[in-house]
Amino acid sequence: QQQVKQSPQSLIVQKGGISIINCAYENTAFDYFPWYQQFPGKGPALLIAIRPDVSEKKEGRFTISFNKSAKQFSLHIMDSQPGDSATYFCAASMTGGFKTIFGAGTRLFVKA
Amino acid sequence: DVKVTQSSRYLVKRTGEKVFLECVQDMDHENMFWYRQDPGLGLRLIYFSYDVKMKEKGDIPEGYSVSREKKERFSLILESASTNQTSMYLCASSSQGKSGGTEAFFGQGTRLTVV
Repeated sequence: QQQVKQSPQSLIVQKGGISIINCAYENTAFDYFPWYQQFPGKGPALLIAIRPDVSEKKEGRFTISFNKSAKQFSLHIMDSQPGDSATYFCAASMTGGFKTIFGAGTRLFVKA
Repeated sequence: DVKVTQSSRYLVKRTGEKVFLECVQDMDHENMFWYRQDPGLGLRLIYFSYDVKMKEKGDIPEGYSVSREKKERFSLILESASTNQTSMYLCASSSQGKSGGTEAFFGQGTRLTVV
């Protein structure tokens, strides 16, 4: 019940295309759903996050879509660029919670 | 600028050595975490702490111990380093959100090689 399942494991997208990464969770007590971006040799950093009172959040080319009833959320990267090539982790946490639960990660490669 | 700082970026240690990885955060966070990251295996939680002197095992605690004597500092200890502990180690911290889950902040990572 604590797991967050992420797919796909890896993704290759042409420059200018749309990258889509999906995550699913079980625990309805989760109330914070962040996405982290990690470049090689660096620690993950927060990219964008959403709370379950909204169905979508957009920041520049990055959008989270959230489906509370299906317990799923996804990251969309519009107009993907080679500089977006990185590993992306979805995650979930809850009020007063000790742990953030991470998905397994998706390696994105954007071809120039 | 908020920070989680790990004491070393790169370490090379010999098999059987006792190894200390140090992590300091300046955000007054209650929670601190140690993860290891290996290719294709994502982020695996080793130990976490939700208060000073408190610690909880994560998913892969075997061969590791931790210490949290001060709120801002969380140390990971490899009692007797082995080659299968060669990995990237990431420290993170977060607050215990009173009105919703919160962001985890990561350090830059320590790449440990055990020879």
